[in-house]
Order: sequence, then C-alpha cells, then structure tokens
Amino acid sequence: GAGVSQTPSNKVTEKGKYVELRCDPISGHTALYWYRQSLGQGPEFLIYFQGTGAADDSGLPNDRFFAVRPEGSVSTLKIQRTERGDSAVYLCASSFQGGVPGELFFGEGSRLTVL
Amino acid sequence: QKEVEQDPGPLSVPEGAIVSLNCTYSNSAFQYFMWYRQYSRKGPELLMYTYSSGNKEDGRFTAQVDKSSKYISLFIRDSQPSDSATYLCAMDSRAGSYQLTFGKGTKLSVIP
Repeated sequence: GAGVSQTPSNKVTEKGKYVELRCDPISGHTALYWYRQSLGQGPEFLIYFQGTGAADDSGLPNDRFFAVRPEGSVSTLKIQRTERGDSAVYLCASSFQGGVPGELFFGEGSRLTVL
Repeated sequence: QKEVEQDPGPLSVPEGAIVSLNCTYSNSAFQYFMWYRQYSRKGPELLMYTYSSGNKEDGRFTAQVDKSSKYISLFIRDSQPSDSATYLCAMDSRAGSYQLTFGKGTKLSVIP
C-alpha cells in the first residue's frame, strides 16, 4: 500500500500484559514517529527515529515503553506491564527529507484497550 | 495551563457557511504552525503549514497567524459536508518539525 500501515488496528489486553504495536512507514521515508492520542485529546509525541536510531525519545512516558527500528524501516512500539492508563490510539507517522516542514504522514493507528 | 489551547467544540454549521477555528499558545518559541484534519478513526493529515505572521491561502482554506497575540486561526469558506472532521492545530519551535505539540482538536459538523 501507499500509506503508513499499522498493525494491529485494535488490541484488547489485560492489565499487566506485554503488547507490541507495529508500524510500516511509507517506502523511502527515513524519519518515523510514534504519537499517542487519548480520547478527546490531540496526539502527543512519544519518539522519533531517523534511520535506525532513536533521535529523540523524550516523549516516552516511562521505562515500560520502548521502541525499535532495527533496519531503518519497520518499527515496533513495545509496552511492558500495561496499565489501564495506557489505553489510547497509538499513531505512527513517517516523513521524508526535503518534504513540507511539519508534514507527517500518519497511519490509522492502533487502538489499545487495557482492561 | 497547556501550551496549546483549542476549543473542542463540537461546532455545527450549515453547508456554505464560513467556519473559523482557533488556537492560542503560550510558548513564544513556537515558530511553525500547522493545521491537520482528522476524519473519524483515521490518522491526521496536513492541511496547512505556515511559519510567519500573516495569512496563507489554499483554495477554500486560509490560515492566519498572529505571533504577537500567540493566536492562530483556520478559516474554511463555502464549507461542505465533506469538511466534517476534527481539526487539530499543531506547532513546533524547530524548522525540521517533528515533535509537534497539538491542540485537543475541534470537531466540526457541516450540515447539508
């Protein structure tokens, strides 16, 4: 597909469980971002990758959250010991060098519900 | 006080109306301003990007920035039912914007 692909689209889990969310960015986009959108709120920045490395992870709320992008393409957001407050839509976005500043191409998100 | 304030609405207007959406911000370091549109259960998509005070027009959309008042607006002329969505303002202090600070979003409904 031409857009950012995120799987799963919906994930229901129990408190304390481990969760992985996957993002497949647009081909050729070197930058990849994770944002979190809680109900009724705007997206909040979590982490930014340029290539394989995390250029800025200052938005990760605590050490239960971790993200990787081992080959500079697909990324996985990992959440350990999930809590009810982690329930949100996790949005992945990508962008390319030389594009319109501020233009992030978002996926449809992974909706996480922690019971 | 949040860095970016945006009235969540909802806002309901008749088709053809002019819509005005607004955000205020407190961080004077913000220099780059964006409006994103988000349809239900979809990711946001960029509508407009500006980096200077003044107006920028693109079709039926006009973005306005007043840095002295820390106030930005999006105007939609001749609104259409297909404009029904949530509109998010977003801001950053750096040229290579990526760590965007978003408002809550305003939910707009355009009634035929």
